[in-house]
Amino acid sequence: NAGVMQNPRHLVRRRGQEARLRCSPMKGHSHVYWYRQLPEEGLKFMVYLQKENIIDESGMPKERFSAEFPKEGPSILRIQQVVRGDSAAYFCASSPTGTGENEQFFGPGTRLTVL
Amino acid sequence: AQSVTQPDIHITVSEGASLELRCNYSYGATPYLFWYVQSPGQGLQLLLKYFSGDTLVQGIKGFEAEFKRSQSSFNLRKPSVHWSDAAEYFCAALGDYKLSFGAGTTVTVRA
Repeated sequence: NAGVMQNPRHLVRRRGQEARLRCSPMKGHSHVYWYRQLPEEGLKFMVYLQKENIIDESGMPKERFSAEFPKEGPSILRIQQVVRGDSAAYFCASSPTGTGENEQFFGPGTRLTVL
Repeated sequence: AQSVTQPDIHITVSEGASLELRCNYSYGATPYLFWYVQSPGQGLQLLLKYFSGDTLVQGIKGFEAEFKRSQSSFNLRKPSVHWSDAAEYFCAALGDYKLSFGAGTTVTVRA
């Protein structure tokens, strides 16, 4: 049973370009979470999605960031017009349910570097 | 506001010595609690979790943690560290569906 998969593992973008980060949850998991880890910091919640729905995006920057989790295919975190401050590790996690004793399983992360 | 605090940014221990990492939480109710380990450039690996029941929780790699409601703490311990335990350790609390992480404690193991 494959774990949470993220790709690419490393992504380099120049300022102003777009970054697309993909996350495939564990089989049977319909809840996906994105977290961001800035250098020397812990992980911060960004967004929580269920299939085709954004449940909570309170941790997402108001501009340039968007996320989706379509009925078919992986969840996508999209960053438009990237800036140097977007350089970070972005982790995706998935769970079978969204409440209760809800362990989240993490992917290996995508490390974004903005030049 | 819900929060998790790890007071120690960096700890250095000798191989074979005991290790204790501190974690305090601030939540309205008892949250579900987790400890994760992250090696450089890697993802997060779950060491152990506390949902309810026995307050002493056993995890992988010889780690254990004790939940103390009166102190709002969930400290991680290992009786004898190995060089491979050098990593960054994160305490996290689950409120509803969001994990709140502490800032992490970096553990260095000296020979």
